[in-house]
Amino acid sequence: NAGVTQTPKFQVLKTGQSMTLQCAQDMNHNSMYWYRQDPGMGLRLIYYSASEGTTDKGEVPNGYNVSRLNKREFSLRLESAAPSQTSVYFCASSEFGYEQYFGPGTRLTVT
Amino acid sequence: AQTVTQSQPEMSVQEAETVTLSCTYDTSENNYYLFWYKQPPSRQMILVIRQEAYKQQNATENRFSVNFQKAAKSFSLKISDSQLGDTAMYFCAFMNRGAGSYQLTFGKGTKLSVIP
Repeated sequence: NAGVTQTPKFQVLKTGQSMTLQCAQDMNHNSMYWYRQDPGMGLRLIYYSASEGTTDKGEVPNGYNVSRLNKREFSLRLESAAPSQTSVYFCASSEFGYEQYFGPGTRLTVT
Repeated sequence: AQTVTQSQPEMSVQEAETVTLSCTYDTSENNYYLFWYKQPPSRQMILVIRQEAYKQQNATENRFSVNFQKAAKSFSLKISDSQLGDTAMYFCAFMNRGAGSYQLTFGKGTKLSVIP
């Protein structure tokens, strides 16, 4: 039982490049989330998927897109990376309305 | 929209002593949960404790307990018998269970250092 896994763990991009962050959970949870963590800011919600087949914007969605591929997988895409997207990205999953379980995070640097 | 405030950016405590981390929140909702998460240097977010707003009894988990004051919208975390492994960032988080998203709103965190 791996819980929530994320790939990659680290990534460096040049401005304008694109990439996809992958997330998978094996807890059969319905809901999945993407957060970003910046110094002194706590975690902020980018997008979420309350259940398979649905996605919605969170607090800071600009510059990102998501795909809920199936119940297990939820990916986050940066189409044209900007230095302001340098951050640590966390994926999380939960059963409806209960505590969220987090992946190990991806440290992304955009130069 | 909900807001969560952690007024102590950094704290320190001697090993084996007790420390309390503060958290206040602002909401007009009645159906919500509150959480404390721990983030050690490894960066992993670890759930410490959960409190349901409808429960008057304060939650406890081993050395961790909360003081939940619903009317004052206060949710502090007490760590007893502090251990070196408690050194971490601690985040208070709010979940509105009346909304379909069940998203978490986090405070900015308190960096706790346990001193040998």
